[in-house]
Amino acid sequence: DAKTTQPTSMDCAEGRAANLPCNHSTISGNEYVYWYRQIHSQGPQYIIHGLKNNETNEMASLIITEDRKSSTLILPHATLRDTAVYYCIVRLNTGGFKTIFGAGTRLFVKA
Amino acid sequence: GAVVSQHPSRVICKSGTSVKIECRSLDFQATTMFWYRQFPKQSLMLMATSNEGSKATYEQGVEKDKFLINHASLTLSTLTVTSAHPEDSSFYICSALRDRQARAKNIQYFGAGTRLSVL
Repeated sequence: DAKTTQPTSMDCAEGRAANLPCNHSTISGNEYVYWYRQIHSQGPQYIIHGLKNNETNEMASLIITEDRKSSTLILPHATLRDTAVYYCIVRLNTGGFKTIFGAGTRLFVKA
Repeated sequence: GAVVSQHPSRVICKSGTSVKIECRSLDFQATTMFWYRQFPKQSLMLMATSNEGSKATYEQGVEKDKFLINHASLTLSTLTVTSAHPEDSSFYICSALRDRQARAKNIQYFGAGTRLSVL
């Protein structure tokens, strides 16, 4: 699986947008970008995924650059409950894949 | 969203005993399930991939005789930690792959995790 690079930690003010970057310069053409988050002592929670087009759902938006070498997860109005470790994962979307977690970004949302 | 139930959420056992952890997909069928472990302040580490009706595939360095995985149905996978020792104490997390659903293709959903403490 392609590797990703994320900042170790980030801060965000409550109510503001949180923009979490991810570099995946070795991504192959058929690999997707997935984002998960893990709140302390819980299992990871799926957020969003995409291939090359920008995606939006009720939780977040995913912006993927045209060359697909990087992406940004956007939480439009961060709340204290969004404090978590966010994982950017690149993998195939067909059978036989494995989801390998990197270190992720620890996001602190402050009041 | 899809729900994956993991039980128990916490278990404390004596060294040498075996512990079974269950993982169920409650509202979808999962041909493939995954087991992870996580040590404090570290990321999740994939232990094995289990496919319904076949033997699990273990990651390098994971002892298959130590961590027995059974995926007997499309909604249930179990992990048994055999002859547990204090170094097996960890946070174990299962994941079920929701496949063949047009709007949720190949998304993994995770259980809440099981915290194992071996005394």
